Amino acid sequence: GENVEQHPSTLSVQEGDSAVIKCTYSDSASNYFPWYKQELGKGPQLIIDIRSNVGEKKDQRIAVTLNKTAKHFSLHITETQPEDSAVYFCAAPNQAGTALIFGKGTTLSVSS
Amino acid sequence: GAGVSQSPSNKVTEKGKDVELRCDPISGHTALYWYRQSLGQGLEFLIYFQGNSAPDKSGLPSDRFSAERTGGSVSTLTIQRTQQEDSAVYLCASSSLAGGFYEQYFGPGTRLTVT
Repeated sequence: GENVEQHPSTLSVQEGDSAVIKCTYSDSASNYFPWYKQELGKGPQLIIDIRSNVGEKKDQRIAVTLNKTAKHFSLHITETQPEDSAVYFCAAPNQAGTALIFGKGTTLSVSS
Repeated sequence: GAGVSQSPSNKVTEKGKDVELRCDPISGHTALYWYRQSLGQGLEFLIYFQGNSAPDKSGLPSDRFSAERTGGSVSTLTIQRTQQEDSAVYLCASSSLAGGFYEQYFGPGTRLTVT
């Protein structure tokens, strides 16, 4: 069946360090992989996404890498700041193409 | 521009009562999704609307849950005879075919508490 697994569930880093969150997916036909950031009491916010025709995408301090052979993709945050503290979710489309399947989330804590 | 809006932001109801949750998608977005987020959990798909096509209801957990989308815009999620396990944050998202089918933008959610 369709599945997205996300690791780690919690991640604590010092301000300025890098943070990496990894996800694996089960459906080899998946072609779109977004990452969402959710702050307390708010809805998830799309921060970056990648499609299957590229291996890496960057936007300032965040980047996403995709390995289609291994069916995994990762979020990289460099020079972390306290405001990066939030829950991060990865996702991939369901087989019907009608919804996203989400990982269970990673709580990132950046201490100053 | 205006994002996805949801109302109410919080709803407390007694077990057995019916509730209605409203979602106003981004103007011009043809696709609308409902998800449920239980405490400390990821997002669980409930239902999907796309234009005039039949909705994908495969994620609805029971026949107590239903949703409609009137005029291709506003959507209402209805939960009948609420149970304590229905307590969760209900999130609505919308997307535009022009922006990429899967680029979903979420509202702030409705926190439902069933006592």
